[in-house]
Amino acid sequence: DAGVIQSPRHEVTEMGQEVTLRCKPISGHDYLFWYRQTMMRGLELLIYFNNNVPIDDSGMPEDRFSAKMPNASFSTLKIQPSEPRDSAVYFCASKRNSGNTIYFGEGSWLTVV
Amino acid sequence: QQQVKQSPQSLIVQKGGISIINCAYENTAFDYFPWYQQFPGKGPALLIAIRPDVSEKKEGRFTISFNKSAKQFSLHIMDSQPGDSATYFCAAGLSGGGADGLTFGKGTHLIIQP
Repeated sequence: DAGVIQSPRHEVTEMGQEVTLRCKPISGHDYLFWYRQTMMRGLELLIYFNNNVPIDDSGMPEDRFSAKMPNASFSTLKIQPSEPRDSAVYFCASKRNSGNTIYFGEGSWLTVV
Repeated sequence: QQQVKQSPQSLIVQKGGISIINCAYENTAFDYFPWYQQFPGKGPALLIAIRPDVSEKKEGRFTISFNKSAKQFSLHIMDSQPGDSATYFCAAGLSGGGADGLTFGKGTHLIIQP
């Protein structure tokens, strides 16, 4: 398995710009999660999908954040407009319906200046 | 989300020593307690996990101790090595492929000094 693939790995953008983070989950996995990691708050669950359907987006901090999963092999997390406080590492992760283990990608390091 | 409280935030241990990280959870319905290990520049990866029907699980130098009545569990790393230097996250959730993602602790930054 190739693992969970995220892009870009690093992004530096100016405040107010739109940011789109991309994720390809492990083939055959039914759940997809977006997490955000910061020093202050640790790992926070933003949103998760089951079979491409958003199940719980209560962790999405503001309306500036949106996520989509148009098919089983692709998801995006969009921030529009971006703000400096959005600077963090964003992780995509996936798992099977029948499994407990969550597999993480290597993360997208976002810096908003 | 239900909280999972993890301590300490950072830990320095001499090579060969025992590293101990503690976690406490709130939701008594949780029945799956994994520990994830994260190296710099990488995503977290499952290290070891326990269910509440046992009080201890050991895999090599890594041991989880679980206290159901206290709603606490801990990770012990025996004979700690510099290669164990990483951030460790405890987590809690529902087993059996439940719908929810895991609730993670805030992490412990572990440094093993040679």
